[in-house]
Amino acid sequence: KQEVTQIPAALSVPEGENLVLNCSFTDSAIYNLQWFRQDPGKGLTSLLLIQSSQREQTSGRLNASLDKSSGRSTLYIAASQPGDSATYLCAVNLDSGNTPLVFGKGTRLSVIA
Amino acid sequence: EAGVAQSPRYKIIEKRQSVAFWCNPISGHATLYWYQQILGQGPKLLIQFQNNGVVDDSQLPKDRFSAERLKGVDSTLKIQPAKLEDSAVYLCASSLDWGRGYGYTFGSGTRLTVV
Repeated sequence: KQEVTQIPAALSVPEGENLVLNCSFTDSAIYNLQWFRQDPGKGLTSLLLIQSSQREQTSGRLNASLDKSSGRSTLYIAASQPGDSATYLCAVNLDSGNTPLVFGKGTRLSVIA
Repeated sequence: EAGVAQSPRYKIIEKRQSVAFWCNPISGHATLYWYQQILGQGPKLLIQFQNNGVVDDSQLPKDRFSAERLKGVDSTLKIQPAKLEDSAVYLCASSLDWGRGYGYTFGSGTRLTVV
């Protein structure tokens, strides 16, 4: 059974810092991995999607890496801003047919001005 | 393009009562998902539809939860009777490419409180 773990559970940083969020998964036979952002009381917004054959994806100040063999992904946020405060969720799609996303519990990020 | 619409946004009911949630996916999205997100947890899939057929309902507590997707468009999720542990946010999502995570769009969710 695929399990997704995110560390840390919560993180508080001053504005301007670079930071890294970690995600690990137990079954390396994934099809892709996604990072989502969730604001309080809102749904999920997809930030980055990495195919299993890719090593990283970048969007603006966000960079996500994937090491499929070791079952790890990181989300790097450069020059953090108060508007980045949210919960960040990692999710994987298994490479075994029509399977749903399996989510981690998320990392709650607070960027202090 | 309009997003995934869900209603109601909030619902408070007493245990043993029944409740229904509604979802309207993005037009043309064949796949529709219902997820349950308990406070402090990641979303967990309850049921997945492809058009109006059920693809995966292995984690749906079928003794109390039911869902349908009429005509392959809108969907309704029902809980009857509700328990305290059903308190959660119920998220609906839709996508074009089934099972592969592409183009997932989530609704804002319905926050259910069972007292």
